[in-house]
Amino acid sequence: DVKVTQSSRYLVKRTGEKVFLECVQDMDHENMFWYRQDPGLGLRLIYFSYDVKMKEKGDIPEGYSVSREKKERFSLILESASTNQTSMYLCASSFGDRVGSYNSPLHFGNGTRLTVT
Amino acid sequence: AQSVTQLGSHVSVSEGALVLLRCNYSSSVPPYLFWYVQYPNQGLQLLLKYTSAATLVKGINGFEAEFKKSETSFHLTKPSAHMSDAAEYFCAVSGENQGGKLIFGQGTELSVKP
Repeated sequence: DVKVTQSSRYLVKRTGEKVFLECVQDMDHENMFWYRQDPGLGLRLIYFSYDVKMKEKGDIPEGYSVSREKKERFSLILESASTNQTSMYLCASSFGDRVGSYNSPLHFGNGTRLTVT
Repeated sequence: AQSVTQLGSHVSVSEGALVLLRCNYSSSVPPYLFWYVQYPNQGLQLLLKYTSAATLVKGINGFEAEFKKSETSFHLTKPSAHMSDAAEYFCAVSGENQGGKLIFGQGTELSVKP
């Protein structure tokens, strides 16, 4: 069974802090994703990666960056946290290469609820 | 561009009643459609997916969805609701030019009354 593990379940940070959200998957999936979830807005894609050291912007990348140094690990970085980044962050992974993974289901972690005060 | 619209942010049914959650999509390429469920304090789990093999797709926990191209819809149904079905449900779309990237709808919260 695929397991996607997010390092923190709850996180409270202060405005201006640099924040790292970590995600690890154990199924050798090529693709990894970071979404944020807000009530009434569903899930919005922040960044994704098809391979080690590869990254692409999603729909709302402003204020975020990512790092993928190893295939199993995908980190989301908030360079200077702001209150409007208070949200639930969900990491996901899927099998397949960039071209062929359009019908691969995503496997999600349990989420990190980040509060920025 | 692809998009998904879920009609109704909150649906309430009685236990044993029909569940109908609505999803409409727009896509410039043949769509691949998914339904996910999120139970409280958990991540999302795949319920079912449509990948053009059959228009009626059966998923886990007795759910099914029908792809209707003429209506650009992919509504989720279950004949008889159970208390354990209370959760948030998300419809999502992908396409052959989108890689593994999914576009999600806004979500529908399902409540089940005893």
